[in-house]
Amino acid sequence: DGGITQSPKYLFRKEGQNVTLSCEQNLNHDAMYWYRQDPGQGLRLIYYSQIVNDFQKGDIAEGYSVSREKKESFPLTVTSAQKNPTAFYLCASSIFWIRVEAGELFFGEGSRLTVL
Amino acid sequence: AQSVAQPEDQVNVAEGNPLTVKCTYSVSGNPYLFWYVQYPNRGLQFLLKYITGDNLVKGSYGFEAEFNKSQTSFHLKKPSALVSDSALYFCAVRDYPGGYNKLIFGAGTRLAVHP
Repeated sequence: DGGITQSPKYLFRKEGQNVTLSCEQNLNHDAMYWYRQDPGQGLRLIYYSQIVNDFQKGDIAEGYSVSREKKESFPLTVTSAQKNPTAFYLCASSIFWIRVEAGELFFGEGSRLTVL
Repeated sequence: AQSVAQPEDQVNVAEGNPLTVKCTYSVSGNPYLFWYVQYPNRGLQFLLKYITGDNLVKGSYGFEAEFNKSQTSFHLKKPSALVSDSALYFCAVRDYPGGYNKLIFGAGTRLAVHP
């Protein structure tokens, strides 16, 4: 079945360590997104990418990095510069932006990162 | 800038009663509006969207939403609530600055349906 796979589902990190969250999609979608979810704050956009080898900073990009070398993959690295990384991270994808339906995002099951 | 607001942190309703989850929006241009649902420790699932056309939009699981341009609202509704509808609901609006498409989400409203 087509969908978005995020791994790992749970991740623990010591302070000062970088970690990478994986996001893979087989929906043949052009655009991919990373959101961060904290209780009571909804979803905040970290990075997004409309096509391969192109990505844009979202509202809270500081302390994060991404790459988009393949259409189906959009990994997120949480660096040691991110001061409060404990959160639930959601990856999503959509069809090419110029189409009206591009607003509909398909989400993965999320990755919960806890800093010890 | 595009934004949405969900004025209620939580909505409580008895099973079998109608439910409403509120959302208001602020946009420049025509609004593209969405509702998503999230169950505990899961990703978001698409419920419905308004792009253009009829103000009453029907979606998944018996949900519908009413678009009201004069009140800049897009409230989610269901005629008869189920306990299984208990979840976190998000309203969202499409933004496309400089040609880059993204969704802006509200803070979410927790729906609790009691037996």
